[in-house]
Amino acid sequence: AQSVSQHNHHVILSEAASLELGCNYSYGGTVNLFWYVQYPGQHLQLLLKYFSGDPLVKGIKGFEAEFIKSKFSFNLRKPSVQWSDTAEYFCAVNAWSTDKLIFGTGTRLQVFP
Amino acid sequence: DAGVIQSPRHEVTEMGQEVTLRCKPISGHDYLFWYRQTMMRGLELLIYFNNNVPIDDSGMPEDRFSAKMPNASFSTLKIQPSEPRDSAVYFCASSLGQTGGSSEAFFGQGTRLTVV
Repeated sequence: AQSVSQHNHHVILSEAASLELGCNYSYGGTVNLFWYVQYPGQHLQLLLKYFSGDPLVKGIKGFEAEFIKSKFSFNLRKPSVQWSDTAEYFCAVNAWSTDKLIFGTGTRLQVFP
Repeated sequence: DAGVIQSPRHEVTEMGQEVTLRCKPISGHDYLFWYRQTMMRGLELLIYFNNNVPIDDSGMPEDRFSAKMPNASFSTLKIQPSEPRDSAVYFCASSLGQTGGSSEAFFGQGTRLTVV
């Protein structure tokens, strides 16, 4: 069965620190990969996505993610976080064979000035 | 386009009552997803439709939950009878199908359901 694991449930950083959030999925076939962000009290918005091609994907607000097929991973990174990045981050996987869009449990990021 | 529209934004109901949540997807999108978000379980996929047809409802927790999509522009998620443990934020999302799965999903603002 298709599943997504996010290892960090709660991350606390100071402004300007670097960020890396882990995401692993379990599915042997071809997948599309996504990172979504949910700011407090708001709905989910797309940060970035990977469908094919260059495994290093750049998204909005300085975020990037790298797809490592051999590790079934799609980790999210940002070199220098800002207070405004405080939010919950969700990794999601869409398996080509099923069209299901499955989300991880989310990582809550708190950035302090 | 106004995006995915959900109603109501907030719903408070008494245990045992029927609750109906509504969703209008983005015009032209052929996938529609219903998710439930709780602190304990995160974002769970309940059911999804492709071209108005339910494809996978394995995430629907119990027979008390049902979902319909009578046409391309409207879907409902019904809970009857409702229970306090159904309290959560329910999100609807839609996406445009493409070769190899769906493209990015666009989410509505969610319905915060409280069952007392």
